[in-house]
Amino acid sequence: DVKVTQSSRYLVKRTGEKVFLECVQDMDHENMFWYRQDPGLGLRLIYFSYDVKMKEKGDIPEGYSVSREKKERFSLILESASTNQTSMYLCASRPGTLGLGYTFGSGTRLTVV
Amino acid sequence: DAKTTQPTSMDCAEGRAANLPCNHSTISGNEYVYWYRQIHSQGPQYIIHGLKNNETNEMASLIITEDRKSSTLILPHATLRDTAVYYCIVGTSGTYKYIFGTGTRLKVLA
Repeated sequence: DVKVTQSSRYLVKRTGEKVFLECVQDMDHENMFWYRQDPGLGLRLIYFSYDVKMKEKGDIPEGYSVSREKKERFSLILESASTNQTSMYLCASRPGTLGLGYTFGSGTRLTVV
Repeated sequence: DAKTTQPTSMDCAEGRAANLPCNHSTISGNEYVYWYRQIHSQGPQYIIHGLKNNETNEMASLIITEDRKSSTLILPHATLRDTAVYYCIVGTSGTYKYIFGTGTRLKVLA
């Protein structure tokens, strides 16, 4: 069964900490994505990557950065965590092939205190 | 990319067909229609997608109108496990920024 695995299901971090959220996919997908999900706002795209070492900003990149050193791994970095970054973070991957959909991970619920 | 409009919530009796509508009146010719669902506290799950023709898989059927301005996801025999938020999105194969709205919250009633 193909999978997108997020390293943590729940995280609690302090304001100002540097936070790393890890995502690994085993499907050899070219494209990987980070979303955050907040009540009433749906899923919002933070960053995506269409190839190793390539990244593009999504709709809400401020306060975040990403790293994709290997095809299977896409990391989201909160440079200095703030309380307004408390959210559910979802990683997804997708092949580059025409028309195919996303596979999502189970999500990481991050609380910044 | 085209935007979609879905009802906020729907109820369906267990064992009956659940028909979830989606409007995408500004869809362009090369944009697909995708459906996902999200069960509470999990990541969204891909259900089905289509371009012009109706599609069916083991989970659901997708009916796309001839003008492609709307579509309906059909769960033929809804179960309690189908209670979830259902998202309809459109985009091309090259689209990276799919727009997930707030979806339709489907509640299947015993």
